[in-house]
Amino acid sequence: GENVEQHPSTLSVQEGDSAVIKCTYSDSASNYFPWYKQELGKRPQLIIDIRSNVGEKKDQRIAVTLNKTAKHFSLHITETQPEDSAVYFCAAYYNQGGKLIFGQGTELSVKP
Amino acid sequence: NAGVTQTPKFQVLKTGQSMTLQCAQDMNHNSMYWYRQDPGMGLRLIYYSASEGTTDKGEVPNGYNVSRLNKREFSLRLESAAPSQTSVYFCASSPGPWDNQPQHFGDGTRLSIL
Repeated sequence: GENVEQHPSTLSVQEGDSAVIKCTYSDSASNYFPWYKQELGKRPQLIIDIRSNVGEKKDQRIAVTLNKTAKHFSLHITETQPEDSAVYFCAAYYNQGGKLIFGQGTELSVKP
Repeated sequence: NAGVTQTPKFQVLKTGQSMTLQCAQDMNHNSMYWYRQDPGMGLRLIYYSASEGTTDKGEVPNGYNVSRLNKREFSLRLESAAPSQTSVYFCASSPGPWDNQPQHFGDGTRLSIL
């Protein structure tokens, strides 16, 4: 079935450290994997996405890697800052039905 | 340029009451979605509309109905509200249909059912 597992559920790091969040998906036909950031009381906002023809994508301090064989993808945040504190969601696009399935979310806390 | 607009922002209902959550987008998107967000559960898809004139069930459709009124508007109706439907509801849209493009979210409706 359609399923996205996300780990860890909470993550606490010191300012300046790196943070890594991992997701696995169930459908080998998935070909699009976005990541969303949600600050407290706000809407989810897209921060980076990757398509299946690419193994890695970077945007300043944020990078995403994709391993299609293992069906997992990861978000990497380097040089974390307090404003990175938020809940992060991964998602996988399932062609059958044309919909995104989201992971359960990771609450990231960056301590000054 | 509002993007995705949801109304109301907050609502308190009594068990058994009905209400309709409204969503409108001004990005000329074809696809629209309704999610609910509960602590520790992520975003779960309730219903979606891949294009004007079509609607489909998502992961958790029971207790809800939807209407794709036109290309811009997609409403979610609770016919007989239950406490288990207390949640934050998000509407989203994407260029669609059947694409793998980012979804844009509204600000959400915080719904409490007593």
